[in-house]
Amino acid sequence: QQQVKQSPQSLIVQKGGISIINCAYENTAFDYFPWYQQFPGKGPALLIAIRPDVSEKKEGRFTISFNKSAKQFSLHIMDSQPGDSATYFCAADYIIQGAQKLVFGQGTRLTINP
Amino acid sequence: KAGVTQTPRYLIKTRGQQVTLSCSPISGHRSVSWYQQTPGQGLQFLFEYFSETQRNKGNFPGRFSGRQFSNSRSEMNVSTLELGDSALYLCASSVGTEAFFGQGTRLTVV
Repeated sequence: QQQVKQSPQSLIVQKGGISIINCAYENTAFDYFPWYQQFPGKGPALLIAIRPDVSEKKEGRFTISFNKSAKQFSLHIMDSQPGDSATYFCAADYIIQGAQKLVFGQGTRLTINP
Repeated sequence: KAGVTQTPRYLIKTRGQQVTLSCSPISGHRSVSWYQQTPGQGLQFLFEYFSETQRNKGNFPGRFSGRQFSNSRSEMNVSTLELGDSALYLCASSVGTEAFFGQGTRLTVV
């Protein structure tokens, strides 16, 4: 119930295309849904995040779509660029015993072909 | 503003040994969390410290332990190392909901 399921595991998109990564969760206690981007040799970095009272959030070429009833959320990267090639993790955050706990999806390795 | 600093960056240990990893959080951040990252299991939560107290713990054996000092710096210790402990260990400091990760310590157990 504390898992976040992410798909696909890997994704190849042509430059200029739309990259879409999907995540699903079960625990309705989750109240914050961030996406992290990780380049090789680096730690994950926060890309964009959303709360469940909002259905969509857009920052530049990155958009999160959130479907509370379906318990699903997705990341859309518009006009994908080779520099977007990285591993993307969705996550869900909830409070347990007064402390926040992040649960991560398994990650998606995105490759943008030039 | 300096980011999260983890030392060392790389470490090679032998089975049965113990290891200590260090994490210096962003100045002013009192919460420090540790994660294990492996290709097969992804990012798994180890534990979280806040003001020197462990507030939360993941599903890892007792060989994995940690502590936090009064200056918020944190250490993670793994005793009796096993081959399966080879991983990237990430530390994250946070204030509010946003977590900032260090570059990690790559531990290889041989």
